[in-house]
This record gives sequence, structure tokens and C-alpha cells, in this order.
Amino acid sequence: EAQVTQNPRYLITVTGKKLTVTCSQNMNHEYMSWYRQDPGLGLRQIYYSMNVEVTDKGDVPEGYKVSRKEKRNFPLILESPSPNQTSLYFCATKRESYSNQPQHFGDGTRLSIL
Amino acid sequence: AQTVTQSQPEMSVQEAETVTLSCTYDTSESDYYLFWYKQPPSRQMILVIRQEAYKQQNATENRFSVNFQKAAKSFSLKISDSQLGDAAMYFCAYRSEYSGAGSYQLTFGKGTKLSVIP
Repeated sequence: EAQVTQNPRYLITVTGKKLTVTCSQNMNHEYMSWYRQDPGLGLRQIYYSMNVEVTDKGDVPEGYKVSRKEKRNFPLILESPSPNQTSLYFCATKRESYSNQPQHFGDGTRLSIL
Repeated sequence: AQTVTQSQPEMSVQEAETVTLSCTYDTSESDYYLFWYKQPPSRQMILVIRQEAYKQQNATENRFSVNFQKAAKSFSLKISDSQLGDAAMYFCAYRSEYSGAGSYQLTFGKGTKLSVIP
């Protein structure tokens, strides 16, 4: 079954404590990306990756890091989380970076930074 | 930069009736894609329908259809015979056809919350 798996699904943590949200896909997709969803703002892209070792900033990259060391994984790293990063996060993938295929979304990760 | 505007934060429809959700966008490009995504309470993002800008024919998927007006930069979603399971947040999204920095990024509207009244 084709899946985009995010972990954890929910996390409550404190300011400054480094955390990583993992995203894994079993579809051999080239393109992966991270979005955050906030009330009244819709979804905004944080980072994206066109392929292994190729990453680039989206609209709201400040405070986040990503890596793409292997095709199936695209972790989102918050080195020093702050309360304004409390949000709902989605990982999304697409088969080919330059195709017109729609993106497949994970089920979301709810982060609360106290 | 492209922007997507959904002017209706909330809408409601009676079960079995038809409802139209509006979306407008701003772009200087001629080739692009438009999408409607549904987000039910489970928070999943589910693709409902998509439209290629070069196609004049409006896309249709079962009870879902769009009214794509390229000159007016309008992309509304019509849901016919509304069902209780249609209750969700609906997002309109734009994606450029061109490569380059930020390419293939989805730009989302802020969403419209649809309630279906039994």
C-alpha cells in the first residue's frame, strides 16, 4: 500500500528542546516537501527536495532544517523550537519532481511548543 | 509570487443540494495547474480534482466539478448532491508549470470550511 508516514502524529514539548519529525515514503517518489498549516493561513511550504541531496527553501523556512540523505526519508528538524512553531505539519511527496502529478500527503503531525 | 484567495471562510449546504466554493488566484504565468484538496476532520489532505490551465474543458470527478475561468483567474468548485461525508475544509491550490527556484511548489488558499446540514 502506497504510504507517506509521519512520526510522531502528536508531540508536546518545550521551547529549545531539539526535535525531529520524520517522513517516510514507500513509493520511490523523487519529490518530497514539508508544509505547515495554521488557522486562517492555509498551508505554507517550509522546505522541499527534488531528489537525494537536493533541498531548497519554501516560503517559511526560518527555524527549520531538512535533510535528504536517502530517497525514502525527508526529516524535518527543529533545532531550537519556539512557540510560534506550534502548528500542524504535513509531509507531501510526488513521483517525479518535474511531473504534473499531484502530491500525496501524510496524515499530519500536530506539534505544540510550550 | 502567486497568491490564492478563498473569500468564503465558511459555508453550509443542505444535504442533497448543490454548493459552489470560490477561488481566485493571481499569476503572471500562462501555464500552471490548479487543485482542490479536501481535509476532513481526520486531517488528511485528499486531492479532489485538478485542472490544467491549457485545457479549456472544465474538469469533472463524479459529483465534483470546476468552473475554470482563465481570463478571470477564477477556479470554483461545485459539489452536487452534497453528502454528509463532504463536510470538510476545502483548499484551493496553485502550482506553476515552470522550473526554477520554488518550482513545483503548491501555493494554497486559506481554506473554506464546508458544513453539510442533514
